[in-house]
Amino acid sequence: ELKVEQNPLFLSMQEGKNYTIYCNYSTTSDRLYWYRQDPGKSLESLFVLLSNGAVKQEGRLMASLDTKARLSTLHITAAVHDLSATYFCAVDPSGSGNTGKLIFGQGTTLQVKP
Amino acid sequence: GAGVSQSPSNKVTEKGKDVELRCDPISGHTALYWYRQSLGQGLEFLIYFQGNSAPDKSGLPSDRFSAERTGGSVSTLTIQRTQQEDSAVYLCASSLGLADPGKQYFGPGTRLTVT
Repeated sequence: ELKVEQNPLFLSMQEGKNYTIYCNYSTTSDRLYWYRQDPGKSLESLFVLLSNGAVKQEGRLMASLDTKARLSTLHITAAVHDLSATYFCAVDPSGSGNTGKLIFGQGTTLQVKP
Repeated sequence: GAGVSQSPSNKVTEKGKDVELRCDPISGHTALYWYRQSLGQGLEFLIYFQGNSAPDKSGLPSDRFSAERTGGSVSTLTIQRTQQEDSAVYLCASSLGLADPGKQYFGPGTRLTVT
C-alpha cells in the first residue's frame, strides 16, 4: 500500500526566510502533485510533476521530483505572509498509468510571520 | 468559467439517517473523484469515475457508502445509516481525465456533521 509522508507537518517561519518541505512516498510512481489549501477553503493545484528530474517554479515556490529517491521537495524562497496555508503532496499509485486516484500526504501547515 | 460545485455546503444529520451529497464537475471533465477530509484521517480517496463508470471503488469505507454518476456529469455520493465517524468534509474533484493526467480541480466541499 502506498504511503505518502510529509515533513515537517508544521512550519513557522519569518518573512524573508527560505525553507523546504519534503514529501516521501513508498512505492514507484512518476506522478506527483502539490496542492495548497487555505483555512476553510478547498484545494488549489500548484504543481504537476510527471517525470524524474521535473522542476516547476511559480513565484516564490519551486517543486522538484526525484523518482529514484521517491522524494519531492517544495522550496520556499523569501517567504511572505500570503504563503501561509497548508500544503499537500499527492501521488498517483498507479505509477506511470493514469487513474487520477491520488494518495495524499498529511499536509504541512506553513505559518509565515511578519 | 464555472468551477466544481457541491451541495449542500453544510449538512447536519442524525445518526442513522441517509444523506446524499451532490457534485457538479467542470463542463467537459470526464473524470470525477470523491475524497474525504477529516482531522483524524487526513485526505482519503473514496471513489473515482471515468465517464459514468467507477473503475476504482477501493476507498469506500463500507457498504453504507455508494456513488453514482449520470450523463457523464453530476455525481451523487450517498451514505446510508450515517454514523458519527462519517463526520468529515467531503470533497469532489474533476479533471479532463486521460488528456490531462492528475490535475484535479476541487470543489468547495460538503461539511457533514453526524450528531
